[in-house]
Amino acid sequence: GENVEQHPSTLSVQEGDSAVIKCTYSDSASNYFPWYKQELGKRPQLIIDIRSNVGEKKDQRIAVTLNKTAKHFSLHITETQPEDSAVYFCAASSSTGGFKTIFGAGTRLFVKA
Amino acid sequence: NAGVTQTPKFQVLKTGQSMTLQCAQDMNHEYMSWYRQDPGMGLRLIHYSVGAGITDQGEVPNGYNVSRSTTEDFPLRLLSAAPSQTSVYFCASSLRDVGYEQYFGPGTRLTVT
Repeated sequence: GENVEQHPSTLSVQEGDSAVIKCTYSDSASNYFPWYKQELGKRPQLIIDIRSNVGEKKDQRIAVTLNKTAKHFSLHITETQPEDSAVYFCAASSSTGGFKTIFGAGTRLFVKA
Repeated sequence: NAGVTQTPKFQVLKTGQSMTLQCAQDMNHEYMSWYRQDPGMGLRLIHYSVGAGITDQGEVPNGYNVSRSTTEDFPLRLLSAAPSQTSVYFCASSLRDVGYEQYFGPGTRLTVT
């Protein structure tokens, strides 16, 4: 079945450094790639998304890149701050064979002050 | 708007018991879904619905039933609870099918003993 792999599972950075989280997906029909942030004990919330007809998207300190040929997409956070500490999930959505969003296993990001 | 609401917040069941997790949204969203979240495994799709009267299976549907009689409500039924169903359950909704931001409810923490 469809699968999304996410790496690393844990990432620790110093405040002000950049953080990169990478995902690969298996379903070539996937056409929407959201990223969600989940703080401890809270619900996941969308932070950025990208569609298959776009290679890169940026929103302030957050950017996402997509390589459809390689089935890779990545989240980049620059100038990290302690409040960026959370679990981040990538996901891939497809409307082929049903309307499903498959999530990666998550990356726990620690930003040290 | 209340957004996506879920009840109960916490529940303890004995093996073999049945129960229904409630989910409601007041945003007139067509698409609703149920996920379970287990440590290290991300969010796994249980069932989803693209509109009233239409439901389909996700990645891990066994042991769960759903129905969608109205746009607003999407209950999840556990038929005969098993310890393997101990998890945090999130309901989510989006305007339409895949390709739109999913809004998550606050979650239900279920323990099966």
